[in-house]
Amino acid sequence: DAEITQSPRHKITETGRQVTLACHQTWNHNNMFWYRQDLGHGLRLIHYSYGVHDTNKGEVSDGYSVSRSNTEDLPLTLESAASSQTSVYFCASSSGQGRTDTQYFGPGTRLTVL
Amino acid sequence: AQKVTQAQTEISVVEKEDVTLDCVYETRDTTYYLFWYKQPPSGELVFLIRRNSFDEQNEISGRYSWNFQKSTSSFNFTITASQVVDSAVYFCALTPFNTGGFKTIFGAGTRLFVKA
Repeated sequence: DAEITQSPRHKITETGRQVTLACHQTWNHNNMFWYRQDLGHGLRLIHYSYGVHDTNKGEVSDGYSVSRSNTEDLPLTLESAASSQTSVYFCASSSGQGRTDTQYFGPGTRLTVL
Repeated sequence: AQKVTQAQTEISVVEKEDVTLDCVYETRDTTYYLFWYKQPPSGELVFLIRRNSFDEQNEISGRYSWNFQKSTSSFNFTITASQVVDSAVYFCALTPFNTGGFKTIFGAGTRLFVKA
């Protein structure tokens, strides 16, 4: 079955370190998204991609970067981790066949920055 | 502005009670899509329903029903005869068609506790 996976599921790191969170989907979806979930804020969009080599900033992109070298993967990099980036991170994908597309989510990565 | 408001932060009910989760949205687009997602204690996000702005018919799926009213910009979600397994955080979301691209805007969520 097609799916979307994230790794690691849990990560503890120190302030200032570079961290990369992986997202891999086998739906063959064009669109991929990264969100962070914090209490009281719901999900906020960090970065998104509409296809290979396309990346765009979301509402909370500072301190994060993504690259899209193939259809299946959209890794999220925290260049220099900060305590404010402690959060749960969700990756999602949608097919891109129309703007109605439903986003399907990965299981999430809980990141703690000490 | 594009915005989704879920005014109820937490709701607590006793099993078998009916409960309605409110969702109010703002968008300048005439075409848009509305969604509900469920996040159980295990943490994953589960898609429940998608509704487009041209279809105001209410929808029922088992114990779940949705009431979409464009006149009040609301897309409310009712669970009939609630069960403990319904305990979760529920998110309402909006995808504007013209101005948002594929981007979806989420509400802050409503945490539902169903007590046995």
